[in-house]
Amino acid sequence: RKEVEQDPGPFNVPEGATVAFNCTYSNSASQSFFWYRQDCRKEPKLLMSVYSSGNEDGRFTAQLNRASQYISLLIRDSKLSDSATYLCVVNHDMRFGAGTRLTVKP
Amino acid sequence: DAGVIQSPRHEVTEMGQEVTLRCKPISGHNSLFWYRQTMMRGLELLIYFNNNVPIDDSGMPEDRFSAKMPNASFSTLKIQPSEPRDSAVYFCASSNRVHNSPLHFGNGTRLTVT
Repeated sequence: RKEVEQDPGPFNVPEGATVAFNCTYSNSASQSFFWYRQDCRKEPKLLMSVYSSGNEDGRFTAQLNRASQYISLLIRDSKLSDSATYLCVVNHDMRFGAGTRLTVKP
Repeated sequence: DAGVIQSPRHEVTEMGQEVTLRCKPISGHNSLFWYRQTMMRGLELLIYFNNNVPIDDSGMPEDRFSAKMPNASFSTLKIQPSEPRDSAVYFCASSNRVHNSPLHFGNGTRLTVT
């Protein structure tokens, strides 16, 4: 089993839709979790840290489920500019999931 | 505030040549990571350093790859000899693991080996 696994993509959604991604991890000792966004031919950029209590930043909500060992990212009212690849990473060894490609269409 | 700085941005070389990629982490960060990204394999962790010491190099593909961090402000990733299958984007990232801080990436080096 890979250390970090993500929902297979791609996700193609219309503008305004709500979309959710999950990411499972294998190391129960992991302490920190992050979601990154990567645009084509660019470096990954931090989108959100994921805290135990869950956190929200505008249209984006990240949650952690330690019992089931997964984190989630919810995007509400999706915009065309949200089109990108979303990557999760677990702090324990900083290995990334394969990424989920999101395309938001008009 | 300067971010992670990588050089060169692009490198085109012939098979068999030595390639050296360079990285300057963010000042004050104590951890440095080298990643390789391809369409087929995604973003792979090659090696990471804590306080200039290599901690996990299990992702280094083979002996042709080597990485060094002689001081807190500089690291290199060397491929010798290079092969066409090494063509990829190589990213360097740094963080402050003591505080479980996130990774900050450089712009990457796009390597093409012909």
